[in-house]
Amino acid sequence: AQKITQTQPGMFVQEKEAVTLDCTYDTSDQSYGLFWYKQPSSGEMIFLIYQGSYDEQNATEGRYSLNFQKARKSANLVISASQLGDSAMYFCAMREANAGGTSYGKLTFGQGTILTVHP
Amino acid sequence: DTEVTQTPKHLVMGMTNKKSLKCEQHMGHRAMYWYKQKAKKPPELMFVYSYEKLSINESVPSRFSPECPNSSLLNLHLHALQPEDSALYLCASSQEGNLAGRQETQYFGPGTRLLVL
Repeated sequence: AQKITQTQPGMFVQEKEAVTLDCTYDTSDQSYGLFWYKQPSSGEMIFLIYQGSYDEQNATEGRYSLNFQKARKSANLVISASQLGDSAMYFCAMREANAGGTSYGKLTFGQGTILTVHP
Repeated sequence: DTEVTQTPKHLVMGMTNKKSLKCEQHMGHRAMYWYKQKAKKPPELMFVYSYEKLSINESVPSRFSPECPNSSLLNLHLHALQPEDSALYLCASSQEGNLAGRQETQYFGPGTRLLVL
């Protein structure tokens, strides 16, 4: 079973509007971290936002916020006031604390969502 | 400063060539990673170094040979590659830990685009 699921291969949004990118995850660990990365066509993976499993408040970083629903195991990224520069691939990823063994240090990535911002 | 640098940015090599990819970070991170990424796919973990020792090798073919000369540098030596090894190679670094906290965020370099002919 996939540990990280991003169900939207592609999303389109009008400039200045908000957009939500979906991410659901699967883990039996109590301690884990969820990360969102942006990857423009240039290739660099840019860290956007982090949510810890024990965090009671949703994470926010500027125009990025994370809608964390622990019971539903979802961690959706919300981008407010979209800009043309937001057009990129977005990856949701999870780090499990107690995976141990060969899982130590591993990020599990979703398949990604390509976001296109229209002027 | 959250910068990870990688050289070269682009590399074209023949199947008989030997080349090296280089990665450097000055954030004091003690964990460093190599990923391989095909177009429109998520990155795939290849190797993890923890305190300059190889801690994870994801069953990568021996034609890829990692090296961690010191805590700031990570190399990937390439030899006798195949055309299917053409991909974007990403280096990342993070603080060490096993609590999945924010401090363990992996920061990535810009990548090396490799083409094997």
